[in-house]
Amino acid sequence: SQQGEEDPQALSIQEGENATMNCSYKTSINNLQWYRQNSGRGLVHLILIRSNEREKHSGRLRVTLDTSKKSSSLLITASRAADTASYFCATDEGNFGNEKLTFGTGTRLTIIP
Amino acid sequence: NAGVMQNPRHLVRRRGQEARLRCSPMKGHSHVYWYRQLPEEGLKFMVYLQKENIIDESGMPKERFSAEFPKEGPSILRIQQVVRGDSAAYFCASSPLRTDTQYFGPGTRLTVL
Repeated sequence: SQQGEEDPQALSIQEGENATMNCSYKTSINNLQWYRQNSGRGLVHLILIRSNEREKHSGRLRVTLDTSKKSSSLLITASRAADTASYFCATDEGNFGNEKLTFGTGTRLTIIP
Repeated sequence: NAGVMQNPRHLVRRRGQEARLRCSPMKGHSHVYWYRQLPEEGLKFMVYLQKENIIDESGMPKERFSAEFPKEGPSILRIQQVVRGDSAAYFCASSPLRTDTQYFGPGTRLTVL
């Protein structure tokens, strides 16, 4: 598997339900970030979690990081139709951290109204 | 504070022509990154630049591709003698410091006929 690989590749849920996406990576990291990409658009930064953090919240988003398992999860609570997008995790590989991000292939999330 | 600007948003070139993609970072950001995204894939790192310096070009193809970030003006990604395989979305990101979150532009979608 690649560095920063998301699981599942696609997810469809009813509006109001919670959505959970997972990301696995291989090498040591300084931080891990989650981005959202609407179809045909640029990436929107959602949240950054550093290697010494285990959990972080931002609004309806909750991110966990388990460095022993080299994995992270993104939870979106009370999903809305506007959450329909592709979600990518990105890990840093630079010597000083963060200059070279490695992205997975993403999870395509569809919220059914 | 305007976000990262990229132009053009869409670019069509015939095989053998040159493509020039421009990126204006956010105000106050002196670090610029270029990524390429093929359909249904995640972003792949190409190059990291600071003003007048290429810091990391490990993701750049050895031939036909070049990047610059002059003291004045936008960063330019230049692709000479384009081929069909160069068709992709090219994203630019910027950050104020080396270890900060990267903010992405809307991308330039290059189509090579």
